Parts: sequence; C-alpha cells; structure tokens
Amino acid sequence: NAGVTQTPKFQVLKTGQSMTLQCAQDMNHEYMSWYRQDPGMGLRLIHYSVGAGITDQGEVPNGYNVSRSTTEDFPLRLLSAAPSQTSVYFCASSYNMVGEQYFGPGTRLTVT
Amino acid sequence: SQQGEEDPQALSIQEGENATMNCSYKTSINNLQWYRQNSGRGLVHLILIRSNEREKHSGRLRVTLDTSKKSSSLLITASRAADTASYFCATDKGGSEKLVFGKGTKLTVNP
Repeated sequence: NAGVTQTPKFQVLKTGQSMTLQCAQDMNHEYMSWYRQDPGMGLRLIHYSVGAGITDQGEVPNGYNVSRSTTEDFPLRLLSAAPSQTSVYFCASSYNMVGEQYFGPGTRLTVT
Repeated sequence: SQQGEEDPQALSIQEGENATMNCSYKTSINNLQWYRQNSGRGLVHLILIRSNEREKHSGRLRVTLDTSKKSSSLLITASRAADTASYFCATDKGGSEKLVFGKGTKLTVNP
C-alpha cells in the first residue's frame, strides 16, 4: 500500500494564482483532512471530509475549497493565492476522525 | 484556542538519557494521541490513550494520562539520536469530530 500520497512536494505561486494540491489514499478510509503547519503554530485543520460527497470546514477554511467525489481522493484548491498561505500542507486519512491519523509527506507551498 | 499545549517547547539531551515531554489540555477528552515528526516529513502516529486509561506502553515509549489534571506525559527511555524529532499531542474535545494538535516539543538527542 502507498498509504497517503500528496503532490506536488514543492510549489511556488505568485499572488492571485490558483492551484490544486492533490491527496490520495489507498486504505479505504472514510475520513480525510487537510492541515496546514506554520512555524510556532502547530497543525491547524483547514477542511475535512467524513465520506464521499461530505465535507466540512475546520479551523482555518478561508481561501480554500475542497470536494470529495471518491473515497480515495481529497483535493485542496487555493482559489487566489496570498502570501499568508505560504505554509506546509498535510493531508491525513483515518478510519475515525478522532482516531489514529495517517499523514502524507506534505506539500511545501510558497506564495510570492 | 489551543486545546493541547506541549511542554517544554524544546528539549536537548544526550543519547542514552530519558526524555519526558508533557501535554496539557483544557476540555474533557475521549482520547489523547502522540505523534512524531521528523524534519521535513509527515507526522507518524505513536500511541493513543483513552480517557479511562492511566498508562500505556509501546516499546521504549510510556504515556501517562491524568484526566483530573488534564495532562499527559510522553517518556522516551534510553533515547537514541534517531529519536530526534518534534513530538505533538492531539486531543479530541470530548465528542467533537475534530482532532486538535498542540504546537509540539522539539527533541534533540545528541550522540
């Protein structure tokens, strides 16, 4: 099993550009989440999904969109990138939203 | 506001020594988890302890939970240089569907 995969590993955007961060898991987990990690801030939940077709907002959802059309994939879209979105983004999946989380390797995003 | 807070923020020890880091939280929980993050990598789950458990072991890891003090500790015995990483606690909020992570303790184990 590949576990949780994320692409790209690194990305540089200019302010105002849009892009999609990809996340996929092959463990048949119902629950998937997106977090951002900033220095001194720990991990903050952006959006999460409890199953295909169901998504909800986390702590810091503004500027991001998600959709969940399949169990395997949970892409995160940046609509109009801003320097404040410079961060490392982690996708995670789990059997249970508050149980053991399986994390991807992360995407390091820089917005100039 | 942050549910879990780790203490200390940074810890530097010699190989072979024990490392203890703590996590305090504010509201009641169903479970508490500890994760490790090596530099530039994703988080890896270490151990989950439920609110009705007081202590749990996994290899060189020992986790305790004191719900009356709303705190947990992670003890790594006989530390190795490979244990150098950041360690995070994560808690639910007693029935919440969301997991909340602390800011982490950065552990450096010097060879």
